[in-house]
Amino acid sequence: NAGVTQTPKFQVLKTGQSMTLQCAQDMNHEYMSWYRQDPGMGLRLIHYSVGAGITDQGEVPNGYNVSRSTTEDFPLRLLSAAPSQTSVYFCATLKTNTGELFFGEGSRLTVL
Amino acid sequence: GDSVTQMEGPVTLSEEAFLTINCTYTATGYPSLFWYVQYPGEGLQLLLKATKADDKGSNKGFEATYRKETTSFHLEKGSVQVSDSAVYFCALSESAGKSTFGDGTTLTVKP
Repeated sequence: NAGVTQTPKFQVLKTGQSMTLQCAQDMNHEYMSWYRQDPGMGLRLIHYSVGAGITDQGEVPNGYNVSRSTTEDFPLRLLSAAPSQTSVYFCATLKTNTGELFFGEGSRLTVL
Repeated sequence: GDSVTQMEGPVTLSEEAFLTINCTYTATGYPSLFWYVQYPGEGLQLLLKATKADDKGSNKGFEATYRKETTSFHLEKGSVQVSDSAVYFCALSESAGKSTFGDGTTLTVKP
């Protein structure tokens, strides 16, 4: 029962470096999304996808890029990391008929 | 736009105490309402939900009632345990996938 799998769990970057957070799901959910979690700010939506080949921006998309070539995978790319992107990132899928989100375990990113 | 306001934490209780975490919302339509729980080092998981006015969601001894007249969805539990220590998030969803979360309330239960 893998569900939603995120890698890596921890990452330290220097300002200006790029990296990709991976997200894979085996639940065959069409909808996938990326959130960031910051202290006292809850979860904020970065990007989301309603199906393969379709992506859209959420509340805080600047500095991030996504693509969705398959139903299973939804990678999040940081193009040029900044200290403001230090956060915990969560990938989530949606079970459409119930509205329930299923989350990965999170990826903790520190940008120095 | 939509918004969710949660009771500020952290909340510290003794085991077997009564728990209430307040949640109020603002939405233009008729959202579904959720409580998610995040245990240390883990992702969020659904605790309970309600999809229409006066519905009561319940799970693991927790309850919340969808109150349209007061735009509230307060979380309650009659007797908390140490294992209930976690962060609790209230959330709403008006359209498929677009969920709005509160800031989260940290609960610590002491033996």
